[in-house]
Amino acid sequence: ETGVTQTPRHLVMGMTNKKSLKCEQHLGHNAMYWYKQSAKKPLELMFVYNFKEQTENNSVPSRFSPECPNSSHLFLHLHTLQPEDSALYLCASSQEFVSFDTQYFGPGTRLTVL
Amino acid sequence: QQQVKQSPQSLIVQKGGISIINCAYENTAFDYFPWYQQFPGKGPALLIAIRPDVSEKKEGRFTISFNKSAKQFSLHIMDSQPGDSATYFCAASGGTYKYIFGTGTRLKVLA
Repeated sequence: ETGVTQTPRHLVMGMTNKKSLKCEQHLGHNAMYWYKQSAKKPLELMFVYNFKEQTENNSVPSRFSPECPNSSHLFLHLHTLQPEDSALYLCASSQEFVSFDTQYFGPGTRLTVL
Repeated sequence: QQQVKQSPQSLIVQKGGISIINCAYENTAFDYFPWYQQFPGKGPALLIAIRPDVSEKKEGRFTISFNKSAKQFSLHIMDSQPGDSATYFCAASGGTYKYIFGTGTRLKVLA
């Protein structure tokens, strides 16, 4: 496979469940990102990892927990979510964590919290 | 100051027409302005980008116009085609801010 892949593509979970989203990039990039995409709102940057180190956490609630075991894989662990957390979660990667680097996005995981 | 304001929210254009989407920003530290295109079921993909040292950049039917003094930039799609129907996001990046996105414009090109 090429590019950025995300699994699962769709996820329905209850508020008491624990689940994880997975992202894998096959581009040899060093920076990886999690974004939240909600209708009629800008893409919200959640977390940034650069060379496996978390460099940004944009005031994301602790019920979202990221993990980056290596430069190719990124996880988002979910627990005790709220219905307002329902959204499309996008993973992206870029060669470096610089302002002018092109970001390559995966297709996203559509999350529904009941 | 971190916001990027995008308009219109939705746009319907006849095939062969010109589609125009506008964005405005406040933070003068931004120095990179990309446009992303997103089709249903897909993630956004870079379409075209501009740095503030030029006022216009053209790639095929897609053109970015940049007005540094007004802190505005726009995407023009010439000879719009039904295959251009997608959601378009502008973004701004620079300084300590990495990729602030607009709210998106849903474009529909009628055949």
